[in-house]
Amino acid sequence: GQSLEQPSEVTAVEGAIVQINCTYQTSGFYGLSWYQQHDGGAPTFLSYNALDGLEETGRFSSFLSRSDSYGYLLLQELQMKDSASYFCAVRGGTGGFKTIFGAGTRLFVKA
Amino acid sequence: DVKVTQSSRYLVKRTGEKVFLECVQDMDHENMFWYRQDPGLGLRLIYFSYDVKMKEKGDIPEGYSVSREKKERFSLILESASTNQTSMYLCASSLGGAGVETQYFGPGTRLLVL
Repeated sequence: GQSLEQPSEVTAVEGAIVQINCTYQTSGFYGLSWYQQHDGGAPTFLSYNALDGLEETGRFSSFLSRSDSYGYLLLQELQMKDSASYFCAVRGGTGGFKTIFGAGTRLFVKA
Repeated sequence: DVKVTQSSRYLVKRTGEKVFLECVQDMDHENMFWYRQDPGLGLRLIYFSYDVKMKEKGDIPEGYSVSREKKERFSLILESASTNQTSMYLCASSLGGAGVETQYFGPGTRLLVL
């Protein structure tokens, strides 16, 4: 089957850097995604890694190591508006049609 | 911009009722998904569809069925609603193919089963 593990909660201060880790077990791995969800809102796409290495998009970066079944989301120059839940998601299964989400990491950014 | 709409934001139903949740996307996406979201459990995949009239079970399909008669519309059906199906239901769509998979989510339907 497929499963993902990520921390339930992370707290950091404004301006700092925070890393949210995700380990996964899956069959037929196609890629690892990250989504952000603010309270009361829908999840929105942040990044996708299909190959090993770092992908950078502004203040957010995402890393993947397929050999370790591990990835992380790195948020730099934290802002109060980054307080949200962050979900890693694995695309897998036969044909890569199935995406499974982790339970989410709640990020609290303090002033 | 991709738009995914869901028929209701809030819904209250009684135990045993048949419930229909509708989802429509306007970007000709191949793939569509239904998730339920509960505190501490993240998003759990109920069903997905990668083509018209095609459907696949996700991780928690029991008590649910789906219908995809047209490419833009994916319906979730609760055959006989139960209180443990009280949850937030999220629909999503994605383009499909081998490239970057971006799922676009609807605003969600918060369902209360009494």
